[in-house]
Amino acid sequence: NAGVTQTPKFQVLKTGQSMTLQCAQDMNHEYMSWYRQDPGMGLRLIHYSVGAGITDQGEVPNGYNVSRSTTEDFPLRLLSAAPSQTSVYFCASSRVLEALTDTQYFGPGTRLTVL
Amino acid sequence: DQQVKQNSPSLSVQEGRISILNCDYTNSMFDYFLWYKKYPAEGPTFLISISSIKDKNEDGRFTVFLNKSAKHLSLHIVPSQPGDSAVYFCAASEGGSQGNLIFGKGTKLSVKP
Repeated sequence: NAGVTQTPKFQVLKTGQSMTLQCAQDMNHEYMSWYRQDPGMGLRLIHYSVGAGITDQGEVPNGYNVSRSTTEDFPLRLLSAAPSQTSVYFCASSRVLEALTDTQYFGPGTRLTVL
Repeated sequence: DQQVKQNSPSLSVQEGRISILNCDYTNSMFDYFLWYKKYPAEGPTFLISISSIKDKNEDGRFTVFLNKSAKHLSLHIVPSQPGDSAVYFCAASEGGSQGNLIFGKGTKLSVKP
């Protein structure tokens, strides 16, 4: 099993550009989520999904869109990048019942810089 | 306002000794607490969790203690090993609801040989 994979590992954008961060998992997990981690901060939830076709907002959803057309994939779209979105982005997956009480499996992260 | 606080940004411990990482929370509705470990350039990995109906949970060298009245939990690592050097995040949730796992800012543990 590859676990949770994220692409790209690094990305530099100019203000106003759009892009999609990819996330895939091969563990047949229903629950997938996106977090961002800023320097000196904990992880903050952007969006999450409890299954294909179902998404919901987390703590910091503004400026981001998600969709979940398959169980395996959960892409994160930046609509118009801003310097405040410079961060490290982590995707995670788990079984629904374990999402908030037990193990979430995290990807290696995407380091995004917006100039 | 931070709901989960890790007030020590860093901790240095000698190999073989005990490491104690602390975490405080403010939301009395939290009923699950988790610890994640993170190495540089990697995603966090789950370490151990505890439900609010317990006051202790143990897994090998790792033990988490929960003091609900003080809204405080701690992670004990005994004995500490150099490979334990990482950033440790405390996280909390209202386990029955969907949505947010609230993370603290993390404590960087350095275990010196």
